[in-house]
Amino acid sequence: QVQLRESGPGLVKPSGTLSLTCAVSGDSINRANWWTWVRQPPGKGLEWIGETDHSDNTKYNPSLKSRVTISVDKSKNRFSLRLNSVTAADTAVYYCARRFSAVAYDYWGQGTLVTVSS
Amino acid sequence: QSALTQPASVSGSPGQSITISCTGTSGDVGGYYFVSWYQQHPGKAPKLIIYDVSNRPSGVSNRFSGSKSGNTASLTISGLRAEDEADYYCSSYTSSDTDVFGTGTKVTVL
Repeated sequence: QVQLRESGPGLVKPSGTLSLTCAVSGDSINRANWWTWVRQPPGKGLEWIGETDHSDNTKYNPSLKSRVTISVDKSKNRFSLRLNSVTAADTAVYYCARRFSAVAYDYWGQGTLVTVSS
Repeated sequence: QSALTQPASVSGSPGQSITISCTGTSGDVGGYYFVSWYQQHPGKAPKLIIYDVSNRPSGVSNRFSGSKSGNTASLTISGLRAEDEADYYCSSYTSSDTDVFGTGTKVTVL
């Protein structure tokens, strides 16, 4: 059974850097899948952040591209998200997910709430 | 990239069928057969219910079906049940080689 689990600080100060990690179990990050981050502000809809594959190829949402980095750690079977220069607008539940086909995310983490506040 | 457009809410009585639309452009929904649908209950992660416009993952009820015409994709839920009450999101591949989600639709079972 594939499982994904997000971890990281739940509180980040404005202008700081949001850093999250997604640990993958039940599947190898070396397989031919893309590993994705999605976020959801409280009471709002889903927003695609970006994704990476096992070869460190990446794709990013154009609206976030200047601030986001997604990377993979094959030795630990996990991937990470870094979002710089955060503001209150970046407050959201952050999900990691596995993409097995175009726009088809079949396994999701439980989500982690990150609040940007001083 | 702009979010795909979905109705804010759709409602129906148990046993009825409802349809949720997802409107994009020729650069996303209209240009590819890569549209997915997700069901999200409060406080839970989204669940994939349709991919590649009309395919159902293993274990998903055949009461859920998807289709596409031009720049608009649709999700139909037949034989509506109380447990179908949730938020639904579409997503599409885009010409920028990225993905985009819809604005979301709240389904209410009357």
